Amino acid sequence: EAGVAQSPRYKIIEKRQSVAFWCNPISGHATLYWYQQILGQGPKLLIQFQNNGVVDDSQLPKDRFSAERLKGVDSTLKIQPAKLEDSAVYLCASSRLGQRDNYGYTFGSGTRLTVV
Amino acid sequence: DQQVKQNSPSLSVQEGRISILNCDYTNSMFDYFLWYKKYPAEGPTFLISISSIKDKNEDGRFTVFLNKSAKHLSLHIVPSQPGDSAVYFCAARGSNDYKLSFGAGTTVTVRA
Repeated sequence: EAGVAQSPRYKIIEKRQSVAFWCNPISGHATLYWYQQILGQGPKLLIQFQNNGVVDDSQLPKDRFSAERLKGVDSTLKIQPAKLEDSAVYLCASSRLGQRDNYGYTFGSGTRLTVV
Repeated sequence: DQQVKQNSPSLSVQEGRISILNCDYTNSMFDYFLWYKKYPAEGPTFLISISSIKDKNEDGRFTVFLNKSAKHLSLHIVPSQPGDSAVYFCAARGSNDYKLSFGAGTTVTVRA
């Protein structure tokens, strides 16, 4: 089965600009997650979708970050305007609905964002 | 507030020897623990997990030990191989959660 696809792989922008990341989960995976990994830290959950509904966005900085998952498949994460501290790797992961063990929880390769 | 802590940012071990990675957690609601391995420019991949009803889980060269009273778990890799050089993340979740809380990671370097 194909893995979680993310694009772009790398992005460099200036502060105050906007940026968008795209994620295509594994086919049939109803749950989709966006994690932020700052250098030297572990991944931190930003938002969790189940189908096209938001389950948890408690750690999403909503004044600048937004995410959507139209039709319950692909998802986009947007930052507007970007700050220097947003420099990080943005990881997308997906899992089957109701599956809480590890085996359905697959990460993409991530998008490395550098804000200058 | 970091609920999962990996206090050793790096570990260097000789090929063939044992690697021991440690992880501590503070949230008593966590009941499932996982270790992920991450190579540069790749996403984390699952390595091994343990439920809170067990104190040990073994998979080939990898063994995870859980001490619930101490809120501590460890990952043993025996014998260590050059391909084990990577960043290892400890993660945990609660019984009603799908989301994972991660530690900051330990970079393992296996020397030939």
